[in-house]
Order: sequence, then C-alpha cells, then structure tokens
Amino acid sequence: QAVVTQEPSLTVSPGGTVTLTCGSSTGAVTSGHYPYWFQQKPGQAPRTLIYDTSNKHSWTPARFSGSLLGGKAALTLSGAQPEDEAEYYCLLSYSGHVVFGGGTKLTVL
Amino acid sequence: EVQLVESGGGLVQPGGSLRLSCAASGFTFSSYWMHWVRQAPGKGLVWVSRINSDGSSTSYADSVKGRFTISRDNAKNTLYLQMNSLRAEDTAVYYCSPDFDYWGQGTLVTVSS
Repeated sequence: QAVVTQEPSLTVSPGGTVTLTCGSSTGAVTSGHYPYWFQQKPGQAPRTLIYDTSNKHSWTPARFSGSLLGGKAALTLSGAQPEDEAEYYCLLSYSGHVVFGGGTKLTVL
Repeated sequence: EVQLVESGGGLVQPGGSLRLSCAASGFTFSSYWMHWVRQAPGKGLVWVSRINSDGSSTSYADSVKGRFTISRDNAKNTLYLQMNSLRAEDTAVYYCSPDFDYWGQGTLVTVSS
C-alpha cells in the first residue's frame, strides 16, 4: 500500500499563515486522490475540514483552504488562531483503499 | 443532527474476538459508504476497512485482511466490524465514519493478556 507523508510538526505565529502538505509515495497527488484534511485535538474525535481537495463543510472556518501544490495536496491556514493548535491529518484514496498521512502537529506560538 | 455511536469495545485476550457496532442517525445511512478507522494510543489515524452503500463491496487494510469483516444492516442503520484473531497491535480506539464526513466518539479495544 502507498505511503502518505506529512510534515511531523510546524509552528505558526498567531495571525500568521502556514501551509501543510500531503505527499504520496506513488507520485504526484492529483484530484483523483480526493484529498481530505482532518483536524484532531487531544481527547477528541477527528473533525473533517476539507474534502475532495478544496471543498469545505459548513463548519469549516473560512481561514482554512485546500489545494494542490507542487505535486502534493496542501492545507493553508491564513490568520492562525490559538484554537487552531491541533494535529492535522490528510487522507488520500487509491484504487480499493485509502491511506492516512502520519499527521502534522501544528503549534500556534 | 448526525449521530454515530460506536460500541462493543473492551478488553480481550490475544487471539480473541470482538464485534463492534456503529449506530447511525441523522442522515440517510443507506446512501453512504461507511468506513472504520482506528487510532492506537498516542498514534495517528489508520484506515481499517470500508463497505459500499448496499454492502456488496468491501475493502480492508493489509494489516487486518483475513481477520476482520465489515458488514452493515441498512434496515437498522448499523455498521459492524467483526474482529477475529486479535493481536496486541489491534489495540486502538475504533471510529466509524460515513465517507469521512462525520465521526463518532469511538470505542476502545484493548488486546492484552
């Protein structure tokens, strides 16, 4: 099965902008991988932020956006808030199965 | 309001079996592909299995293939995961999710002697 890679950790200043990326061991990530992005805070279930590369749910804060960037899926946070400190996971779909990335621990400091 | 309530977790010895259930409400269960995802203590999310909307097609992660069986009862709005030949590395919180749109709170499975 494919391996999905994310930055282990990133730090952003309050009000700042940060981009998290999601790569695939099989090559470039495309819209055909239907990238998802999830946020998880300690002791809580995951929450879906982005689906199918760039679509947002009704509960997704406007400061989060999804895209494809340089052969990877990307999650950009513009105007970071203290409550955005969390673990972020991406997910990619392959023929017959799906794979989560290892997660990025985002610190807002 | 969408609700997903996982149950059936607990402590089981290596080699034992458990059956997890996920009771769904607040959405058209029979229209969604359903997934099981697990998270070992302090670790990341790992996809386990999925089933299509009418139950005719299933898929599994290599780590559970041949040991776990996913199924659903659309009349009862319930998803199941039959877990056999359990190993210590199956210890995790197990979540169900409809197409990854929503998430339950999970049920903890601990495999230990």
